[in-house]
Amino acid sequence: DAGVIQSPRHEVTEMGQEVTLRCKPISGHNSLFWYRQTMMRGLELLIYFNNNVPIDDSGMPEDRFSAKMPNASFSTLKIQPSEPRDSAVYFCASNPRAGGNTIYFGEGSWLTVV
Amino acid sequence: EDKVVQSPLSLVVHEGDTVTLNCSYEVTNFRSLLWYKQEKKAPTFLFMLTSSGIEKKSGRLSSILDKKELFSILNITATQTGDSAIYLCAVGNNAGNMLTFGGGTRLMVKP
Repeated sequence: DAGVIQSPRHEVTEMGQEVTLRCKPISGHNSLFWYRQTMMRGLELLIYFNNNVPIDDSGMPEDRFSAKMPNASFSTLKIQPSEPRDSAVYFCASNPRAGGNTIYFGEGSWLTVV
Repeated sequence: EDKVVQSPLSLVVHEGDTVTLNCSYEVTNFRSLLWYKQEKKAPTFLFMLTSSGIEKKSGRLSSILDKKELFSILNITATQTGDSAIYLCAVGNNAGNMLTFGGGTRLMVKP
């Protein structure tokens, strides 16, 4: 199994630009999560989907952030416009239907906004 | 709101030492507690605990859960430099599959 696949792995962008992060969950997993990790705040859940439907987006910081999951094998997290305080590692994770709470992380997208 | 607190924040030991990492939590409708190890990239799964008093063990690592006192410990015996990492504790509830993470304990093992 290829695991959770994220792209890009690294991105440096200028303030005000649009950023799109992509995720392919593990095949057969029906829950998908977007987390953000910073030194100051640790791992924070931004949003999660169950069967492609957003269930809880209370962690999305503000309207500049949006996430979609058009099908079971693809999700995007978009930041528009980006700001320097958005610099973080963004992790996508997935969870199988019968897997309890165990989630499996992708390798993260390291975003720097300058 | 679910809450997870880990201690210590960071720890420096020498190879061969034994360490104990702590995790306390407050969660509505507790389902499970998980430990992850994060080196340079993504967190990788170590243990999932659902029942009190039953030790989970994998090599030099072991963990136990106390659902009455709402905490878990992760023990690492005979530490090695490869154990250097951030150890994350997370709790899940019955409301869904989401996890709430603690801030992590940064462990450094010196040769």
